[in-house]
Amino acid sequence: NAGVTQTPKFQVLKTGQSMTLQCAQDMNHEYMSWYRQDPGMGLRLIHYSVGAGITDQGEVPNGYNVSRSTTEDFPLRLLSAAPSQTSVYFCASSDRAGQPQHFGDGTRLSIL
Amino acid sequence: GDSVTQMEGPVTLSEEAFLTINCTYTATGYPSLFWYVQYPGEGLQLLLKATKADDKGSNKGFEATYRKETTSFHLEKGSVQVSDSAVYFCALSDSGGSYIPTFGRGTSLIVHP
Repeated sequence: NAGVTQTPKFQVLKTGQSMTLQCAQDMNHEYMSWYRQDPGMGLRLIHYSVGAGITDQGEVPNGYNVSRSTTEDFPLRLLSAAPSQTSVYFCASSDRAGQPQHFGDGTRLSIL
Repeated sequence: GDSVTQMEGPVTLSEEAFLTINCTYTATGYPSLFWYVQYPGEGLQLLLKATKADDKGSNKGFEATYRKETTSFHLEKGSVQVSDSAVYFCALSDSGGSYIPTFGRGTSLIVHP
């Protein structure tokens, strides 16, 4: 049971670089989300998707892009990394509204 | 809009002590309520849930009862262990409305031997 798989687990970038955080789920869930977790801030929603081809912005979308070409994958792109994007990023999925979320183990990202 | 308020931590207890972590919510609909646990270096995982008023969710010795009259979903455990040290998140999700769940800010629990 893989569940939600995030790669990489750790990454260090320089300011201005771009990168893609990968997220894949094998549960055929329609709903997928990206969160960032910062000390004292809890979880903040970046972007979410309610199905393949459909994405929408969350609470803190600036500086991030997403796409959902398949049910399984939901990559998060940092366009031009900034130190303020240093955080732990979590991907989550669920099969429908009102149901529990399944989380990946996170990507720990540092921007120098 | 919907919101979830949790007691601020850290909560520090000795092993075998009784645990209560308070959670209250506001919601326009009839949400499902959840507690998630996050162990160090890991993602959140579902601990327990309740889908309607007066439901009690339970798992691994933890319990929480959906109290509509007080809009609360307090987490309790009768005897904590060192291995329960983690961050606990209360959350709600409205099955009839937006997919987006609402999370509390999390409460850190530290259990000493």
